[in-house]
Amino acid sequence: EPEVTQTPSHQVTQMGQEVILRCVPISNHLYFYWYRQILGQKVEFLVSFYNNEISEKSEIFDDQFSVERPDGSNFTLKIRSTKLEDSAMYFCASSPGTSGRPSTDTQYFGPGTRLTVL
Amino acid sequence: GNSVTQMEGPVTLSEEAFLTINCTYTATGYPSLFWYVQYPGEGLQLLLKATKADDKGSNKGFEATYRKETTSFHLEKGSVQVSDSAVYFCALSRGNQFYFGTGTSLTVIP
Repeated sequence: EPEVTQTPSHQVTQMGQEVILRCVPISNHLYFYWYRQILGQKVEFLVSFYNNEISEKSEIFDDQFSVERPDGSNFTLKIRSTKLEDSAMYFCASSPGTSGRPSTDTQYFGPGTRLTVL
Repeated sequence: GNSVTQMEGPVTLSEEAFLTINCTYTATGYPSLFWYVQYPGEGLQLLLKATKADDKGSNKGFEATYRKETTSFHLEKGSVQVSDSAVYFCALSRGNQFYFGTGTSLTVIP
């Protein structure tokens, strides 16, 4: 069964450094997402991406964040200058987008990348 | 706004016990509702979903009914197994954004 994959599984970085989290969505899916979960808190929406542009983003997704689909398979999340409070589990997801109603589509999640900012 | 409130955990049950995990939601319009499960070391996996009022989602013995009048989507299973031990997340979908509850950790002991 096709699945979403994410690399690395764990990333440790120094405060102020740039990090890029990588995801390979399911190949025929059209919508892509990033979520994060700070330890002990809710899974929070960051951004959705469709047709090579951001379709929705949350208040969390400020100028320090960017997303890119550099080729036909990868979907990346870049944090330009990491802060301590960016430490979290980051989940990538994708959905088919074929129903015409994105809100009814199942989102398929990857296993997550645990980001630790020191 | 849109939000999900989920029963606090952790929950510990004996094998074959009845499970209920409560979930209520606040939403504008008519959201779709989901239950996801996360096994240790893995990502979120869809357990079941319902896209309109009175729909019942079911999978692997788990069920949840979309109740618009009580804005609820409680997860139930008649007889839990040790392999059901995981974290369960209730979520609603509006547009192409999911809103998750805090997750409920379930441990089933033999």
